[in-house]
Amino acid sequence: QKEVEQDPGPLSVPEGAIVSLNCTYSNSAFQYFMWYRQYSRKGPELLMYTYSSGNKEDGRFTAQVDKSSKYISLFIRDSQPSDSATYLCAHPAGGYQKVTFGTGTKLQVIP
Amino acid sequence: DGGITQSPKYLFRKEGQNVTLSCEQNLNHDAMYWYRQDPGQGLRLIYYSQIVNDFQKGDIAEGYSVSREKKESFPLTVTSAQKNPTAFYLCASSMGTELNEQFFGPGTRLTVL
Repeated sequence: QKEVEQDPGPLSVPEGAIVSLNCTYSNSAFQYFMWYRQYSRKGPELLMYTYSSGNKEDGRFTAQVDKSSKYISLFIRDSQPSDSATYLCAHPAGGYQKVTFGTGTKLQVIP
Repeated sequence: DGGITQSPKYLFRKEGQNVTLSCEQNLNHDAMYWYRQDPGQGLRLIYYSQIVNDFQKGDIAEGYSVSREKKESFPLTVTSAQKNPTAFYLCASSMGTELNEQFFGPGTRLTVL
């Protein structure tokens, strides 16, 4: 079983829709979870991170962790065409010097 | 401006040739990483280095080699032993904190002809 699993999509939504991106993880010891955003032909960049469980909000973005079900979610409200990118969930592993990434979900927001 | 640079942006290689991908950072980060990205497989760690003159194999190190002679530089050599080298290669650096945020370069797309 992979440490982090993510539906690759692609996911296509109309502008203004609420988007839900999800990951599952296998190791209940994980404490930190991150979401990276990667535009086409670019390197990923950190979008948000959250500790343990609960929600974290940043503008139109909300990151949520459900430890009981080992589920990580990223919600995007009022989605914009500029949100079109691949979103990767990730967590630090291996003594904080390695990061494990999900396969990424490609999102397209249609004007 | 601080950041990570990778060169070249596109690279074409004939089968049987070794090629070296450049990665330089001026963020004063101790740790540097090389990832390979293929469609549907996400980012896979090739090598990483926590300090100068030291590096460790990642999950897919076979057919690759690295060096870390300077803090700012972490070049990756794709050798002829790598059976399927066509991919998008990403270099990253981090401060090595508990969160270990990765700062990525723009990537190099390698194509084997």
